[in-house]
Amino acid sequence: AQSVTQLDSHVSVSEGTPVLLRCNYSSSYSPSLFWYVQHPNKGLQLLLKYTSAATLVKGINGFEAEFKKSETSFHLTKPSAHMSDAAEYFCVVRREFTGYSSASKIIFGSGTRLSIRP
Amino acid sequence: NAGVTQTPKFQVLKTGQSMTLQCAQDMNHEYMSWYRQDPGMGLRLIHYSVGAGITDQGEVPNGYNVSRSTTEDFPLRLLSAAPSQTSVYFCASTLGGATDTQYFGPGTRLTVL
Repeated sequence: AQSVTQLDSHVSVSEGTPVLLRCNYSSSYSPSLFWYVQHPNKGLQLLLKYTSAATLVKGINGFEAEFKKSETSFHLTKPSAHMSDAAEYFCVVRREFTGYSSASKIIFGSGTRLSIRP
Repeated sequence: NAGVTQTPKFQVLKTGQSMTLQCAQDMNHEYMSWYRQDPGMGLRLIHYSVGAGITDQGEVPNGYNVSRSTTEDFPLRLLSAAPSQTSVYFCASTLGGATDTQYFGPGTRLTVL
């Protein structure tokens, strides 16, 4: 079975300080892991993805995430927050579609709302 | 490419009414999905399709029907709307397997009174 847990529902940081959004997953198989960002009243946009290549994944807008199998974590980081980073962030775990199997799911975390203080 | 398009953007229904949320993609993606987004619950998969003529249930399928007669279109039908179906609905498509990026539509905000 798969699951994903975003450990913080809300994170607030000052502009120019580091960002850490935490995500833990469980998966019976080697997962693919994604981070998506959703700005207010917008659809979801891919930030980055892990697909069993390099464990440190670089994404758009200066974000990166590190896959740590031993800790079953895929935390999202950014060295210096910008006001435009204020949004909701979703960690996603996914395995291969297998046709009619109900296990062929994409599981979204419950989301972390990132606020940036001036 | 227009990507993934959804119509309408907003909709208000009365309990018991029916409607169809439209979703189309022009990227020739095989896989398409419908999600609903509710506060504090992330996105939950309603139905998905792995190709024209093939659909399957996701995590929360009750009260919703889908069909996939073409690669491009994946409509979601509410046969008898209920207040519990008030939500934001997202359609997504992806080219292939688990490592491929999902592309999301802009969403439909549905209110059922």
